Amino acid sequence: GAGVSQSPSNKVTEKGKDVELRCDPISGHTALYWYRQRLGQGLEFLIYFQGNSAPDKSGLPSDRFSAERTGESVSTLTIQRTQQEDSAVYLCASTQGGKPTDTQYFGPGTRLTVL
Amino acid sequence: AQSVTQLDSHVSVSEGTPVLLRCNYSSSYSPSLFWYVQHPNKGLQLLLKYTSAATLVKGINGFEAEFKKSETSFHLTKPSAHMSDAAEYFCVVPLKAYTGFQKLVFGTGTRLLVSP
Repeated sequence: GAGVSQSPSNKVTEKGKDVELRCDPISGHTALYWYRQRLGQGLEFLIYFQGNSAPDKSGLPSDRFSAERTGESVSTLTIQRTQQEDSAVYLCASTQGGKPTDTQYFGPGTRLTVL
Repeated sequence: AQSVTQLDSHVSVSEGTPVLLRCNYSSSYSPSLFWYVQHPNKGLQLLLKYTSAATLVKGINGFEAEFKKSETSFHLTKPSAHMSDAAEYFCVVPLKAYTGFQKLVFGTGTRLLVSP
């Protein structure tokens, strides 16, 4: 079956512009995660959605970052007034349930470059 | 709080020789632990996971890891490296927030280089 997909694969933007990144999880997966991976670094948790529960936004680095998810489907991560330090690969993952031992299936990521 | 430390940022081996990627964890209880692999220009993939069953865990592509509570370690090994093993490897532990939500905490990664 289809895996997690993300779009766009690459995004180049100018400082100060807003960007929107999209994630399509695996069908039937109730949990969805967003991560950021800066060059040469590990993954940094951003936000987590589980079913219809309120999302855990504890990893969002500033109020310029926000994310939404419609039911158990598509999610969008929005970065307003982008800064150069926002340049990174943004990864999305989904799991069938919400347990920590559930395997996370990752998308290929969106590489964001802020000039 | 739970955390993981990957002791080597880079490991270089020759094809056919053993691989050892080191990971130490910090936790007040026996945690679940994972290894994920990231090949160049590809997404992250689960390699193996430990969930308090058998302490020796076998994963994909001939990799295995042993949970050692006395050493708080979860090192990843493979008897014989293959060129296709060249990738970034992440040791991962769940972190339980006060909300009850458990998120994954990734180590800083170890880049495995395999030479002919």
